[in-house]
Amino acid sequence: GENVEQHPSTLSVQEGDSAVIKCTYSDSASNYFPWYKQELGKGPQLIIDIRSNVGEKKDQRIAVTLNKTAKHFSLHITETQPEDSAVYFCAASITGGTSYGKLTFGQGTILTVHP
Amino acid sequence: EAGVTQSPTHLIKTRGQQATLRCSPISGHTSVYWYQQALGLGLQFLLWYDEGEERNRGNFPPRFSGRQFPNYSSELNVNALELEDSALYLCASSFESWGNEQFFGPGTRLTVL
Repeated sequence: GENVEQHPSTLSVQEGDSAVIKCTYSDSASNYFPWYKQELGKGPQLIIDIRSNVGEKKDQRIAVTLNKTAKHFSLHITETQPEDSAVYFCAASITGGTSYGKLTFGQGTILTVHP
Repeated sequence: EAGVTQSPTHLIKTRGQQATLRCSPISGHTSVYWYQQALGLGLQFLLWYDEGEERNRGNFPPRFSGRQFPNYSSELNVNALELEDSALYLCASSFESWGNEQFFGPGTRLTVL
């Protein structure tokens, strides 16, 4: 089955710096890649996603890039703010076949933004 | 628009008992997904229900089961509870034709003593 590796496990940056989190996936059939932000005591919040027919997607300070050949995708946060501090999860899924509906998650990255 | 809701917020059971967790999806969403988030293990896919049918299942024993009701709300049942079942159980919903964008609820914290 699909396996998603996420790095780094912890990331500490100064306010205003950029943060990059990287994920690799194993199943070349994966075609949907969401990113979630989870704050303490809350459920994961979908912040951005990308599909396999797109190489990059931006939403204000957040961007995601996808390299299908290398089977990796990354989350980029620019001009980080203290409220960006949270656990970030990447995930991969196949929108079809026997794995349909299942998101396979990375292990998470604890991002801390210091004021 | 109301998000995904889950009840109860916290649930404490003893080993061997049964637990029932409930989820109401976002209005208009027909698919409900259940995930287990155990400490240090990330999120693991449990079950997917759509239009009242179980569509997919993760690598969990049969004592994890559930159902989806005609109003698309869902129940997760865990029988013969074990200590390692202690975790945050998250429910997500999606409008299936949008291609798997899943929106999560706040979760139910299950503690097995």
